[in-house]
Amino acid sequence: GIQVEQSPPDLILQEGANSTLRCNFSDSVNNLQWFHQNPWGQLINLFYIPSGTKQNGRLSATTVATERYSLLYISSSQTTDSGVYFCAVVYQAGTALIFGKGTTLSVSS
Amino acid sequence: KAGVTQTPRYLIKTRGQQVTLSCSPISGHRSVSWYQQTPGQGLQFLFEYFSETQRNKGNFPGRFSGRQFSNSRSEMNVSTLELGDSALYLCASKEVSSYNEQFFGPGTRLTVL
Repeated sequence: GIQVEQSPPDLILQEGANSTLRCNFSDSVNNLQWFHQNPWGQLINLFYIPSGTKQNGRLSATTVATERYSLLYISSSQTTDSGVYFCAVVYQAGTALIFGKGTTLSVSS
Repeated sequence: KAGVTQTPRYLIKTRGQQVTLSCSPISGHRSVSWYQQTPGQGLQFLFEYFSETQRNKGNFPGRFSGRQFSNSRSEMNVSTLELGDSALYLCASKEVSSYNEQFFGPGTRLTVL
């Protein structure tokens, strides 16, 4: 099956710093989503981005489908950005999201 | 629009019991998927229902089952609970197309003692 690898596994930042999270996948995908898991466990949708670039406030994402990777950029990080960020893909004729192991981000003031 | 809702939010059961979890999708979404999250295995797909039919199934034993009703609400059932079934169970809904964006509920945290 497809492999979804996220890096780095852990990231510690000071408030105001910028960061880049990476997601590599081993096969062509039909869907790619980025999520932020809040402390209560809910997955919050950040981006639906099978290809191209999108921006939403301080967050932006880029997926280069031909090279099988996606990047999530967080600028001017805030303590509320802390949590786990997941990348998930749908591939072939499937409908299931296949998740990476996540990047745990800790932002301190 | 209201988001995906799941009930109950927390549940404690003992080994050998069975449990039923409920999920109501976003209005107009006809596909409901279930995922299990554990510290060891991460987030794993259980199954997907669309138009009251199971459309896709992950690699879980037959003790895990589900169903979908005509109003798109879904339930999942776990029989003969094991300690390893302790997990966060997340439900997601999306529109008809296979590749549409999925939206998740707050989850049900199941503890098996």
